[in-house]
Amino acid sequence: SQQGEEDPQALSIQEGENATMNCSYKTSINNLQWYRQNSGRGLVHLILIRSNEREKHSGRLRVTLDTSKKSSSLLITASRAADTASYFCATVITDSWGKLQFGAGTQVVVTP
Amino acid sequence: DGGITQSPKYLFRKEGQNVTLSCEQNLNHDAMYWYRQDPGQGLRLIYYSQIVNDFQKGDIAEGYSVSREKKESFPLTVTSAQKNPTAFYLCASTNGDYGYTFGSGTRLTVV
Repeated sequence: SQQGEEDPQALSIQEGENATMNCSYKTSINNLQWYRQNSGRGLVHLILIRSNEREKHSGRLRVTLDTSKKSSSLLITASRAADTASYFCATVITDSWGKLQFGAGTQVVVTP
Repeated sequence: DGGITQSPKYLFRKEGQNVTLSCEQNLNHDAMYWYRQDPGQGLRLIYYSQIVNDFQKGDIAEGYSVSREKKESFPLTVTSAQKNPTAFYLCASTNGDYGYTFGSGTRLTVV
């Protein structure tokens, strides 16, 4: 079974709007990472948040982590058509040799 | 520029045939990973290697084999024992508590 579960599965917004997606996980983690995947391409690392961190920013991205609820959220502000992609959360489970466990992803479509 | 190179981009396999997917990195990363992605799903771990000449099974290793003879290279062989090999295969590497770097993937189709 997958460690992370993203919500929603799909999201359609217009340019300029904010996009928020959530990720829940099951076991204790070292860190949680978010990746973007354009159709048919490899994954691109967006941001990493460690288990002792609560919030992190990178450009238009904001990630929060709530270890008590075993959940994280990714916010993309002022979305652009180029943000159209699938977004995955992935966790590094404690004592797992750094293995990443992925959720099924959120498919985001940003229309001009 | 440093990165991970996967080849070929597209691969077609006949029934009963073994095929090998190439993964090469020039990032000097110690750890390398192979993932499988099916349509509309997340990535599932096939095999991983933390150091040269050592590798471990992931969640779905059956029907696959790997080798790690050089730090830069981590080839994946899809054997005839893998009954449903059609998928998108992704190789990745990392050097610690940072994000992974992924290759651009190999799309394998059984014909």
